[in-house]
Amino acid sequence: DAGITQSPRYKITETGRQVTLMCHQTWSHSYMFWYRQDLGHGLRLIYYSAAADITDKGEVPDGYVVSRSKTENFPLTLESATRSQTSVYFCASSLGTGGSTGELFFGEGSRLTVL
Amino acid sequence: AQSVTQLGSHVSVSEGALVLLRCNYSSSVPPYLFWYVQYPNQGLQLLLKYTSAATLVKGINGFEAEFKKSETSFHLTKPSAHMSDAAEYFCAVSFNAGGTSYGKLTFGQGTILTVHP
Repeated sequence: DAGITQSPRYKITETGRQVTLMCHQTWSHSYMFWYRQDLGHGLRLIYYSAAADITDKGEVPDGYVVSRSKTENFPLTLESATRSQTSVYFCASSLGTGGSTGELFFGEGSRLTVL
Repeated sequence: AQSVTQLGSHVSVSEGALVLLRCNYSSSVPPYLFWYVQYPNQGLQLLLKYTSAATLVKGINGFEAEFKKSETSFHLTKPSAHMSDAAEYFCAVSFNAGGTSYGKLTFGQGTILTVHP
């Protein structure tokens, strides 16, 4: 039961570089999400996806790109990393079908440092 | 728009004492409400959830929460704190669209619980 896995768990990069954080889930959940966690802000939604090839912006999408060509994968790309994107990133999934209560299942997080 | 406010970014209790973590929400429609716990360097785990059934909800590890519509609150309690309860706790609200939620949660800012021996 692999669940939801994120990679890499830790990443250090430099300003201006492109970074991709990977997320893979084995439950065939319809919905997938990317949140960032910062001190004093809790978790803020970056992007989410209702199904393959369907994505939408969350609360803080600027500077990020997502894609979802397969149901099980939902990569998050920082096209040109900035220091303000230093954060812990969490991928999550949700069943999201009729009668679902919307419970999220989280990965263990990817800690990104931008120098 | 929905929002969540957690009162107190840090709560400190003695082992064996009552734990009370406060959460107030704002939602224009009946909400689904959740409490998640996060241990250091880990993802979030679901403690309990309110889904419009019983207003008193019991979760894992002896935690429970009561949904009070008149107070728009969903406070988390545990009668007797244990050292292993030390963690960060997040309250979250989800939009209830005719009995289905799609998981687009809005989180509070979190409350760090410290338990002293």
